[in-house]
Amino acid sequence: AQSVTQLDSQVPVFEEAPVELRCNYSSSVSVYLFWYVQYPNQGLQLLLKYLSGSTLVKGINGFEAEFNKSQTSFHLRKPSVHISDTAEYFCAVSSGGSNYKLTFGKGTLLTVNP
Amino acid sequence: EPEVTQTPSHQVTQMGQEVILRCVPISNHLYFYWYRQILGQKVEFLVSFYNNEISEKSEIFDDQFSVERPDGSNFTLKIRSTKLEDSAMYFCASSGGTLNTGELFFGEGSRLTVL
Repeated sequence: AQSVTQLDSQVPVFEEAPVELRCNYSSSVSVYLFWYVQYPNQGLQLLLKYLSGSTLVKGINGFEAEFNKSQTSFHLRKPSVHISDTAEYFCAVSSGGSNYKLTFGKGTLLTVNP
Repeated sequence: EPEVTQTPSHQVTQMGQEVILRCVPISNHLYFYWYRQILGQKVEFLVSFYNNEISEKSEIFDDQFSVERPDGSNFTLKIRSTKLEDSAMYFCASSGGTLNTGELFFGEGSRLTVL
């Protein structure tokens, strides 16, 4: 079985500060890793994904994440956040195969303050 | 850009009533999913559907729930007799087009409120 742990339920930061949202996963097989963002009262939008290849993945809105197999982590980073980045961020894992079912973490609420 | 669409966006119902949530997945996708998000909690997997049958379901997906793909475009989630604890946002997703990257494409969600 797969699981995802997002240790931080809330992360408040000031505008233009850097941010890191932590994600750790557990799986007995190779994984695909994803970060989704949910703005207030909206659906889930893909930020970035790791399928294979380079462990540093760049996504939309200036976000990036690094896959670290030895630490089973996929932390999300942005060097300088904007007020508009305020949202809930979900890390998710899939084992691929024939189903591509995603298992989500509990989410991290990023609040960017002026 | 193709997208997953869901209706209704919000439904209020009385406990014990039947509810049908509708989804139109992206047209060339082959895998369909329903997820649930209770307010303030994480997104939970309910069921996946492939080749006109359920491929996997969670323990949440009990006999009160059913899914159907009645025609070539719609994918529905039915809750036969709603309970208060069914109040949640329900997300439909699809994946598996001609270039399957494992990404799930989500709809905007249907908010179900059970009174």
